[in-house]
Amino acid sequence: GAVVSQHPSWVICKSGTSVKIECRSLDFQATTMFWYRQFPKQSLMLMATSNEGSKATYEQGVEKDKFLINHASLTLSTLTVTSAHPEDSSFYICSARDGTGGTYEQYFGPGTRLTVT
Amino acid sequence: GENVEQHPSTLSVQEGDSAVIKCTYSDSASNYFPWYKQELGKRPQLIIDIRSNVGEKKDQRIAVTLNKTAKHFSLHITETQPEDSAVYFCAAGLLNTGNQFYFGTGTSLTVIP
Repeated sequence: GAVVSQHPSWVICKSGTSVKIECRSLDFQATTMFWYRQFPKQSLMLMATSNEGSKATYEQGVEKDKFLINHASLTLSTLTVTSAHPEDSSFYICSARDGTGGTYEQYFGPGTRLTVT
Repeated sequence: GENVEQHPSTLSVQEGDSAVIKCTYSDSASNYFPWYKQELGKRPQLIIDIRSNVGEKKDQRIAVTLNKTAKHFSLHITETQPEDSAVYFCAAGLLNTGNQFYFGTGTSLTVIP
């Protein structure tokens, strides 16, 4: 149980275009999802907290107009990188929390490798 | 915001020896401390966690200790095996508020057979 998927697993886009990444909880309802950015051999940097039915909460230094987050249902959150630039190239990974089980564990998706050319 | 530091960044041990990874956090309000293991090319997986009302927790070869006063916590792996080789991340979180986790910089553990 507690499986989180991400789509796509990798994407290459041209500078100036937008890219949407989906994060789905497959076998549980996730009232809260989190989006992280991971640079090579570095840590998971929390970008934002996505709450179902409400606006996302962004961490300091993360541009909310550039990284649009939508959490329209209890099983789906999307991250859209708008007007992508090469410096946005990174590994984006989401996690979801199953609030019903009484645990606080975050279950991670497999990540999405974004390359902006 | 919360700042988590983790040491060492790399660690090599002989199979059968113990490995210790240490983390410090800055926000005294943090009350939940999970440890995640990330194997190469895979997603992070929770291996053990501890809440602030507990000083130590053990699960077979893995144990975590927490010193709230000093704001540091440690992961102990005993009788290491080659399959323990991975990157380990500590995190600090504040439950029942935003439930966000703030991760340390990671420790790349290599267990030498």
